[in-house]
Amino acid sequence: EVQLLESGGGLVQPGGSLRLSCAASGFTFSNYAMSWVRQAPGKGLEWVSSIDDSGGNTYYADSVKGRFTISRDNSKNTVYLQMNSLRAEDTAVYYCAKGVGASRFKFDYWGQGTLVTVSS
Amino acid sequence: QSALTQPASMSGSPGQSITISCTGTSSDIGGYNYVSWYQQHPGKAPKLMIYDVINRPSGVSNRFSGSKSGNTASLTISGLQAEDEADYYCSSYTTSSTLVFGGGTKLTVV
Repeated sequence: EVQLLESGGGLVQPGGSLRLSCAASGFTFSNYAMSWVRQAPGKGLEWVSSIDDSGGNTYYADSVKGRFTISRDNSKNTVYLQMNSLRAEDTAVYYCAKGVGASRFKFDYWGQGTLVTVSS
Repeated sequence: QSALTQPASMSGSPGQSITISCTGTSSDIGGYNYVSWYQQHPGKAPKLMIYDVINRPSGVSNRFSGSKSGNTASLTISGLQAEDEADYYCSSYTTSSTLVFGGGTKLTVV
């Protein structure tokens, strides 16, 4: 059974940093692209970032480029999202999602999400 | 990259069919057959319902179908059931190598 378990969310002040983790199980992690998608309270889904299966290629939304860094450790079956210079508008539930096949832009499994709140 | 355009809300009666539209541009929907649809119930993670415009993942009811014409994609739900009441989001790959979602459609089954 595929499982994605996010952790690392919490309350952080504007300008602060946070690192999210997503531990994967139930599939061969190193064969799939992984992504982060967020959802602000009461709002829609927003793609944040993706990383290919090897970790050699990363992609970011303009809204987070230069502030967020996605990475993965295939030996630990874990994908990370390092978030720096956080802003109030980054407040959201952050979901980790597994790509379908080799794709990084369609997601067949999602975690339950971790809430990030940016506030003073 | 602007969000794709979806109706904010729609409603239907049990047994009816309903079609949710998702409008983009030639830089996203119109340029690629990489449109997906997700269903999200309150407090839950999204669930993939349709990918690559028309394909249904294993386990998704055949009451759900997808299509595309030009810059507009559509999700049709036939034989509406109470459990179909949820938020629905479309997404598309873009020429910028990014992914864009629609604003979401709240479907009410009355």
